[in-house]
Amino acid sequence: EAQVTQNPRYLITVTGKKLTVTCSQNMNHEYMSWYRQDPGLGLRQIYYSMNVEVTDKGDVPEGYKVSRKEKRNFPLILESPSPNQTSLYFCASSLSVGDSFQETQYFGPGTRLLVL
Amino acid sequence: RKEVEQDPGPFNVPEGATVAFNCTYSNSASQSFFWYRQDCRKEPKLLMSVYSSGNEDGRFTAQLNRASQYISLLIRDSKLSDSATYLCVLDSGGGADGLTFGKGTHLIIQP
Repeated sequence: EAQVTQNPRYLITVTGKKLTVTCSQNMNHEYMSWYRQDPGLGLRQIYYSMNVEVTDKGDVPEGYKVSRKEKRNFPLILESPSPNQTSLYFCASSLSVGDSFQETQYFGPGTRLLVL
Repeated sequence: RKEVEQDPGPFNVPEGATVAFNCTYSNSASQSFFWYRQDCRKEPKLLMSVYSSGNEDGRFTAQLNRASQYISLLIRDSKLSDSATYLCVLDSGGGADGLTFGKGTHLIIQP
């Protein structure tokens, strides 16, 4: 089954304790992206990757890191989480992206993070 | 950052009715337009792409008006299962910059 998976689905942690949220897709997609969704603010892009070893900042990258060592995986790293990073996080992937268009993005099920 | 505006609702609509909502955008360079559906606490899922000529998928019709910079979604014969938040989504005009999401319109279909 074609899908995007995220782990963990729910996480409660404390300020400053490093954590990683994994994202994996089995559709051989080139483009992957991380979003956070907060009430009243909608979905905001954190980081994206156009292909292996190619990553770039989105709208709200502060406090986050990513890596793309393999095509299928795109982990989100919070080196020192803070309470303002409490949010619902979505990973997404799409087949490719052109100079001026976007393919349909497929989303993972989401990760609910609470930072105390 | 490019803006996408949607009426957040909620729209309370009786079952069987027709409902329509619009989304306006400010980036005239956008090339790709979509409607996504998001159920409570779930991930967004593509409902339909929006083409320049308009497109229809069963009870759903999407239209794009480039001159006025808005897209619309029409749902006919609404079902209880149509209750969800509908996100207007477009590309940011630069491909790799990803998608810009509206904050969504909350639709509640009442029996």
